[in-house]
Amino acid sequence: LAKTTQPISMDSYEGQEVNITCSHNNIATNDYITWYQQFPSQGPRFIIQGYKTKVTNEVASLFIPADRKSSTLSLPRVSLSDTAVYYCLVGEENAGNMLTFGGGTRLMVKP
Amino acid sequence: DSGVTQTPKHLITATGQRVTLRCSPRSGDLSVYWYQQSLDQGLQFLIQYYNGEERAKGNILERFSAQQFPDLHSELNLSSLELGDSALYFCASSVGWGKNIQYFGAGTRLSVL
Repeated sequence: LAKTTQPISMDSYEGQEVNITCSHNNIATNDYITWYQQFPSQGPRFIIQGYKTKVTNEVASLFIPADRKSSTLSLPRVSLSDTAVYYCLVGEENAGNMLTFGGGTRLMVKP
Repeated sequence: DSGVTQTPKHLITATGQRVTLRCSPRSGDLSVYWYQQSLDQGLQFLIQYYNGEERAKGNILERFSAQQFPDLHSELNLSSLELGDSALYFCASSVGWGKNIQYFGAGTRLSVL
């Protein structure tokens, strides 16, 4: 069962790059790593997903080292609207396993 | 708009009562997931259905049950409600399971008084 560990909270300022790291030491061979963003009282929203190396889309980049025991979500030039909770999720391929979001990282972007 | 519809948006009830939360997944999605989120807490996975069958089970209480119907909509039944059951309940859907991206609904806020 791949459990994830993230920092509880992070602070940043507008215009800075923010890197949030997630540890998942027990990741399985077929597991993917997915990041979600959640604003208060809203459902989480998909940000990015990857399996290895680097993935980039219009909002973020995801860096995954060769051992895949961790991953880093990178948000370039954050704005106040990026203030949210960010969850790292490791996808379980087999039935009967829990889908673990973990506690998430509360990012506060300040002006 | 994620395409996942949850009803009702808000529900206020009393302890000991029973309620049903409803979820309509995105068109084409076969998996439905239910999550509970208490105030300032993370998302707790409850249960997953895939094409009508239970696929994965999390920390779902025995007082809670769910099912997915042939038209793929799902219902979460909460019975013998307690104050501690007050929370946001989210439904998500995906094409399959595991690495598939989940799309979340807006949630149902349950208040047990």
